[in-house]
Amino acid sequence: ELKVEQNPLFLSMQEGKNYTIYCNYSTTSDRLYWYRQDPGKSLESLFVLLSNGAVKQEGRLMASLDTKARLSTLHITAAVHDLSATYFCAVDSSGSRLTFGEGTQLTVNP
Amino acid sequence: DVKVTQSSRYLVKRTGEKVFLECVQDMDHENMFWYRQDPGLGLRLIYFSYDVKMKEKGDIPEGYSVSREKKERFSLILESASTNQTSMYLCASSGRARGFTGELFFGEGSRLTVL
Repeated sequence: ELKVEQNPLFLSMQEGKNYTIYCNYSTTSDRLYWYRQDPGKSLESLFVLLSNGAVKQEGRLMASLDTKARLSTLHITAAVHDLSATYFCAVDSSGSRLTFGEGTQLTVNP
Repeated sequence: DVKVTQSSRYLVKRTGEKVFLECVQDMDHENMFWYRQDPGLGLRLIYFSYDVKMKEKGDIPEGYSVSREKKERFSLILESASTNQTSMYLCASSGRARGFTGELFFGEGSRLTVL
């Protein structure tokens, strides 16, 4: 059974700081997705990582995938309040479904 | 843009009632999914479908059934709602490419309260 673990689950940071969210998974996969969810809203796709070494960047967020380590990271650079949300990683190991991590609730304080 | 539309944003039902949650997508996607989301438990897959009239159980199918009579529509049915089915229900769809699931596109969610 595939397990996907994120850490930290809760992250409170100050504006302007950098931080990294980690996503570990338990079985072989080279397809990993990052989503964002604002309070009371649905999930919005952020990044699609489809191979070992894949790196994607948008604005202050950068995601990477290391399939050998079974690890993806979501790096936040110079955080701003608008990045406050819950971030989920999801792994496709079967070709038919995604398994989600528990989510990381990020709060960026002024 | 992909649009996934869930029929009801908020529902309040009584224990024992039959509940239908409807989901429609407009991108001709093969795959459709129903998840429920609860605080501290993340997203859990209830059922999914990779083709018309096909369905597969997810991780927590008990107490639920689904129907996919048309490619664009995937319905979640609670035959006899119970209070432990109070939750946020999220529908998603994806296209199939090169044999993998593909990026999921989510609807706005349906928040169900069972009294």
